[in-house]
Amino acid sequence: GAGVSQSPRYKVAKRGQDVALRCDPISGHVSLFWYQQALGQGPEFLTYFQNEAQLDKSGLPSDRFFAERPEGSVSTLKIQRTQQEDSAVYLCASSTTRLVQAFFGQGTRLTVV
Amino acid sequence: QKEVEQDPGPLSVPEGAIVSLNCTYSNSAFQYFMWYRQYSRKGPELLMYTYSSGNKEDGRFTAQVDKSSKYISLFIRDSQPSDSATYLCVPKGTSYDKVIFGPGTSLSVIP
Repeated sequence: GAGVSQSPRYKVAKRGQDVALRCDPISGHVSLFWYQQALGQGPEFLTYFQNEAQLDKSGLPSDRFFAERPEGSVSTLKIQRTQQEDSAVYLCASSTTRLVQAFFGQGTRLTVV
Repeated sequence: QKEVEQDPGPLSVPEGAIVSLNCTYSNSAFQYFMWYRQYSRKGPELLMYTYSSGNKEDGRFTAQVDKSSKYISLFIRDSQPSDSATYLCVPKGTSYDKVIFGPGTSLSVIP
């Protein structure tokens, strides 16, 4: 596709359940980012990949959060033992090597009940 | 002090008004200044970016950067209901820096 694709669009998880969120970046984009956006807030940086290398994971809020991009294309954000405070929209963005413009997907809205 | 400060609003204006959205930042190393627009239930999209100080115009939108005062502005002329969105300012040190967002300003343009 032409844009960044995220799936699922909506996810409801019971507290304690593990979830996996998928991001398909724009073809050929080297850089990939994950953000977490709480209601009424700006997106908060989680982690950054350049190809398959995770160069920055300083924004991951706890060790329950894990991201991977094994072949330098599709990425998965995994959250283990979900908590209510994990409820948010998770945004994925991709970019060329020069990071002036990041292209965002529509996000996955996670609700933990 | 946060790196980027932005009045979250909400800001409500009548159609046709001139809108001024503003940000301040603290890091004098910032060189790139971007505005992202985010519609409800959508991901942010890049609206405009400027490099260093000065003005940049694109249709009804003008971005203005004053590095001496660390002040960034976005002006919208002849505002339209379709401009209703959250506007996020993003300063960066280099083009290779990750994008860090402030809280954004929520704008509603009333027909």
